[in-house]
Amino acid sequence: DVKVTQSSRYLVKRTGEKVFLECVQDMDHENMFWYRQDPGLGLRLIYFSYDVKMKEKGDIPEGYSVSREKKERFSLILESASTNQTSMYLCASSPHGSGGANEQFFGPGTRLTVL
Amino acid sequence: AQSVTQLGSHVSVSEGALVLLRCNYSSSVPPYLFWYVQYPNQGLQLLLKYTSAATLVKGINGFEAEFKKSETSFHLTKPSAHMSDAAEYFCASPLYSSASKIIFGSGTRLSIRP
Repeated sequence: DVKVTQSSRYLVKRTGEKVFLECVQDMDHENMFWYRQDPGLGLRLIYFSYDVKMKEKGDIPEGYSVSREKKERFSLILESASTNQTSMYLCASSPHGSGGANEQFFGPGTRLTVL
Repeated sequence: AQSVTQLGSHVSVSEGALVLLRCNYSSSVPPYLFWYVQYPNQGLQLLLKYTSAATLVKGINGFEAEFKKSETSFHLTKPSAHMSDAAEYFCASPLYSSASKIIFGSGTRLSIRP
């Protein structure tokens, strides 16, 4: 059974803290993604990684950075958390190739609250 | 710009009634289209996928979707709603500029009345 796991389901942090969200997949997928989900806005891509140490900005990268040192792990970093980063964060992975036919597999999400 | 539009942020139907969730894509015909479902407090999972092999696509849990090029639509239906269908549904399409990425609609929350 394919699996994407996220380090925390719920997280509460204070403004200005550095926050790490971890994601691990066991499917040997090349692509990994971090999304932010807010009511009425759907999923918005923060960052995308297509290989180890490779990353690409998504639609809303400001205030975030990422790290991919190993193929199975993709970390999202909030350098200095702010209240407008309170949201649901979803990690996903997919294999390379097939011209867009590949579905993305999602983790359960991390609900982050910044006070 | 490429877009996927879902009409209706919230749909409410009675148990046993027809479910119809609407999705329209940008005018360029995409090679693939997806419907994902998100149950409460969970991540997204694939419901069904259009791959141009057939215009009517069957998915899990009795859902199906029909690709209509003339209407640029890919609406999701289920003949008889069940309480367990209450969830948020997302229509999605690969990005033309980068096929590994997916563009999602804004989502439709489906509620089921007893």
